[in-house]
Amino acid sequence: GAVVSQHPSRVICKSGTSVKIECRSLDFQATTMFWYRQFPKQSLMLMATSNEGSKATYEQGVEKDKFLINHASLTLSTLTVTSAHPEDSSFYICSARDRKGFTEAFFGQGTRLTVV
Amino acid sequence: AQSVTQPDIHITVSEGASLELRCNYSYGATPYLFWYVQSPGQGLQLLLKYFSGDTLVQGIKGFEAEFKRSQSSFNLRKPSVHWSDAAEYFCAVGSPTGGGNKLTFGTGTQLKVEL
Repeated sequence: GAVVSQHPSRVICKSGTSVKIECRSLDFQATTMFWYRQFPKQSLMLMATSNEGSKATYEQGVEKDKFLINHASLTLSTLTVTSAHPEDSSFYICSARDRKGFTEAFFGQGTRLTVV
Repeated sequence: AQSVTQPDIHITVSEGASLELRCNYSYGATPYLFWYVQSPGQGLQLLLKYFSGDTLVQGIKGFEAEFKRSQSSFNLRKPSVHWSDAAEYFCAVGSPTGGGNKLTFGTGTQLKVEL
């Protein structure tokens, strides 16, 4: 099956710094990728939809200046958490849709971000 | 707007017993429906999906789910649970008009398996 790789799997950063999370589709091209956030023992909430070559579409309540998304190629989308604060600590998961139009999106393994 | 309800936050079953995890959705038409499993600190693994056709869907690891339009439900079942099935299970709905990939998740059901 299709593989989506997220990197890093875990990251600890200091308050005020920025952290970049990568989401790569390894064996397919993804025109669309999705970024989700999961709080401890809670469900996944969609943050934004990332479209290759265009601006991301953010869900209501998500600060686009804080969570910068770049989808520069058909196999890579990045999420940058800028000026991170402890409340940004969370589990971030991406998913990617094959450009061939299959209706299933494939999930990465997630990134655990801890801001200290 | 679409929504998903998983009424059971925690479920405990004995190994070898049958399992049913409930999922109800709200959507104006027939959505795309998914069940995912998540182990602690891990990403999501797709168990099964429903897009159209046969309302009884077979998935991996011996799981199945049945789409019931009249009840707006998509319950997950397994006839005999194994200890390795202990995990968090998420039901999700996707809009066909959005390609089915922009998913709304339920709050999840934590499954514990007693040996």
